[in-house]
Amino acid sequence: ETGVTQSPTHLIKTRGQQVTLRCSSQSGHNTVSWYQQALGQGPQFIFQYYREEENGRGNFPPRFSGLQFPNYSSELNVNALELDDSALYLCASSLELGNTGELFFGEGSRLTVL
Amino acid sequence: GQNIDQPTEMTATEGAIVQINCTYQTSGFNGLFWYQQHAGEAPTFLSYNVLDGLEEKGRFSSFLSRSKGYSYLLLKELQMKDSASYLCAVRETGSGTYKYIFGTGTRLKVLA
Repeated sequence: ETGVTQSPTHLIKTRGQQVTLRCSSQSGHNTVSWYQQALGQGPQFIFQYYREEENGRGNFPPRFSGLQFPNYSSELNVNALELDDSALYLCASSLELGNTGELFFGEGSRLTVL
Repeated sequence: GQNIDQPTEMTATEGAIVQINCTYQTSGFNGLFWYQQHAGEAPTFLSYNVLDGLEEKGRFSSFLSRSKGYSYLLLKELQMKDSASYLCAVRETGSGTYKYIFGTGTRLKVLA
């Protein structure tokens, strides 16, 4: 069984640029959620996708957007990067919406904005 | 509003028992989760409670009281490898959508 994989693992961008992060969900999982985790903090929910539709969004501005593809992999796009966007971005997949809701996390993409 | 509170740090001795508390205020409650996160690693699932009561899984147990907005994670027979951050998270639902709210995490140090 393939776990959740994310790419890239590390990247550096400058303020104002755009970034795309990618996530492959665990085999058989149709739900993907994205989180921003600053150092020493808990993950902050960005949004969730279920069968290619956004299903739930946290308190993030519209410059944070996403996609889910027919194979249930997903992208997180962030436009007009700000210094405060520097964080670990975690992707998690789950078997189905609701249910026991166990989230399987990837190792994350560490973004540094200079 | 949405709010989750848990202690920032705790220290315990190998072999001991530790209880990590979590209080929450939320609307559309749809389950409470505990995750373990070692430094530099991804969170891993520990437990899930949606009804009141205690769920036991090996050395780990989790308790929920929905009326009090309260949960705790109990770790028994502590081992050095249990040194990690423990994240309390609440899932909310409303209008067919779901959201996960995580606390800031409790950093547990297990001493020999």
